[in-house]
Amino acid sequence: AQSVSQHNHHVILSEAASLELGCNYSYGGTVNLFWYVQYPGQHLQLLLKYFSGDPLVKGIKGFEAEFIKSKFSFNLRKPSVQWSDTAEYFCAVRARGGGATNKLIFGTGTLLAVQP
Amino acid sequence: DADVTQTPRNRITKTGKRIMLECSQTKGHDRMYWYRQDPGLGLRLIYYSFDVKDINKGEISDGYSVSRQAQAKFSLSLESAIPNQTALYFCATSDWTGAGTGELFFGEGSRLTVL
Repeated sequence: AQSVSQHNHHVILSEAASLELGCNYSYGGTVNLFWYVQYPGQHLQLLLKYFSGDPLVKGIKGFEAEFIKSKFSFNLRKPSVQWSDTAEYFCAVRARGGGATNKLIFGTGTLLAVQP
Repeated sequence: DADVTQTPRNRITKTGKRIMLECSQTKGHDRMYWYRQDPGLGLRLIYYSFDVKDINKGEISDGYSVSRQAQAKFSLSLESAIPNQTALYFCATSDWTGAGTGELFFGEGSRLTVL
């Protein structure tokens, strides 16, 4: 069965620091990849997604993610974080194709705290 | 108005009570989902429905049931609530059609506390 791992559970950064959050998945076939963000007290919102084509995906608010198929990874990056980026970040994967579930499976989330 | 609306937003109940969480959407999507969120566990899928006549169990369906009353409505029931069902519950929809994006659109969440 497909699974998603986010190894960083809690990250604390100062403003202007660079961010990279790891995401690895287990599925050998075609996947669709997503990063969602949940600001305090709010619902999840889509940051960015990868379906095909350029493995470097740019999302909202200066975030980007790179799909590396050989590493089964889809890490999220931002060159310079702001206090308003404080939130919980979820990686999600949908396996596609015959025998796949086509359901969206979420990682356990990474809580990012940005200090002013 | 929100595209995906959940009611109630907050509920405190006692062990053994029956609880229903309701979800309605105005996005016209066929697919609807119920997830629960627990600290450190992320979001786990409880049930999902790809159309009115299609209901499927997710990862953690035990203790829950659902009803898809119409394309726009998908309710989650706890027949006899227990304390470990205390969590934040999210309803979501998607427009997945095979070639579509499959992005999920979430409701605001329903916080349930079972004493």
